Amino acid sequence: DAGVTQSPTHLIKTRGQQVTLRCSPKSGHDTVSWYQQALGQGPQFIFQYYEEEERQRGNFPDRFSGHQFPNYSSELNVNALLLGDSALYLCASSLDRGSFTDTQYFGPGTRLTVL
Amino acid sequence: DQQVKQNSPSLSVQEGRISILNCDYTNSMFDYFLWYKKYPAEGPTFLISISSIKDKNEDGRFTVFLNKSAKHLSLHIVPSQPGDSAVYFCAASGSARQLTFGSGTQLTVLP
Repeated sequence: DAGVTQSPTHLIKTRGQQVTLRCSPKSGHDTVSWYQQALGQGPQFIFQYYEEEERQRGNFPDRFSGHQFPNYSSELNVNALLLGDSALYLCASSLDRGSFTDTQYFGPGTRLTVL
Repeated sequence: DQQVKQNSPSLSVQEGRISILNCDYTNSMFDYFLWYKKYPAEGPTFLISISSIKDKNEDGRFTVFLNKSAKHLSLHIVPSQPGDSAVYFCAASGSARQLTFGSGTQLTVLP
């Protein structure tokens, strides 16, 4: 049973560029959430996708956008990259049972470095 | 404004002893609490959770305690093993379904 997978593992971009990160949820899961983890901090919620729509959004600018596909996989896009966007980007999946107690399971992350 | 706080950045414990990791929260709307363990270069791994209707949940060597009136939860690991050495994150959620994380505690279990 495959867990949450993310690609690529590492990425180096320059300021102003755009980046796309990808996530495949755990088998049987239908909800995908994205988090940003800066060095020495806990993950911060970016947004959550369910039924191909953004259901919740954290305190991140519009430069951060996403998409969920019919097979439940998801993409995170970041435009006009800033140095401060350098972080580990984590994808988490869960099964929506209509309850906020749905446990989220995380992938290994994508390490983004902006130069 | 940190809604979930882990005030101890690090903790060292002898193998076989109890490890106690603490977490405080400020948002009274949080109803579900989780602990994750993270090794370097890996994503967080779910350990154990507790909903606000309980004050204790146990799973093998791991027990989570919740004190709602104090807005405090703790994770007990008994007995501690060297393989438990990792960063432990406390997280909380409510009706918004998003997880709010603390900044983590680095646990080192000494052989």
